[in-house]
Amino acid sequence: AQTVTQSQPEMSVQEAETVTLSCTYDTSENNYYLFWYKQPPSRQMILVIRQEAYKQQNATENRFSVNFQKAAKSFSLKISDSQLGDTAMYFCAFMKHADQGAQKLVFGQGTRLTINP
Amino acid sequence: NAGVMQNPRHLVRRRGQEARLRCSPMKGHSHVYWYRQLPEEGLKFMVYLQKENIIDESGMPKERFSAEFPKEGPSILRIQQVVRGDSAAYFCASSGQRGPGSYTFGSGTRLTVV
Repeated sequence: AQTVTQSQPEMSVQEAETVTLSCTYDTSENNYYLFWYKQPPSRQMILVIRQEAYKQQNATENRFSVNFQKAAKSFSLKISDSQLGDTAMYFCAFMKHADQGAQKLVFGQGTRLTINP
Repeated sequence: NAGVMQNPRHLVRRRGQEARLRCSPMKGHSHVYWYRQLPEEGLKFMVYLQKENIIDESGMPKERFSAEFPKEGPSILRIQQVVRGDSAAYFCASSGQRGPGSYTFGSGTRLTVV
């Protein structure tokens, strides 16, 4: 079974600073996907960024980028020039590639990120 | 395209009552997933359905919980004889194809058992 671990329950930074959220995972699969989701107080699950395991290049989406270390099973999220609207819970998630059956997401426990003015 | 629609947004039930949570997938999506989020935790997979079929229910509690996705209408997650421990946010996600590209979450239903 796959597991996802986020070791930072809470983080707090000043606006405009850069912050990195940690995530490690455990799997015996070789082909899989990794995700970061943002959950603001509205409770909506918002996809921030996605990484395919077979791609060596780290994914980026504007101010959001990841550091994907496949051998170390590490998948950290870097938020540059942080904004007040980035305040939310952030969840790291794993999905194994499956030709059949459920494509389940396995989530970490979450990191509560607060951006201070 | 209205996205994944879940209703109600909030649901309050007394212990012993039944809770019915509805999920209408995005137009064109035929795969539906239900997840549960307990307070201060990540989401946990419950069940995966396609039209008229339960494909994987490995995350469903053995008793009191059931799910369906009929040929017509929304997917329903039903919890019978609710207990306080069922209080959580229940999320539905839908996808239209293999791969995570179209995987989309609804806004969730917060169930409170009093």
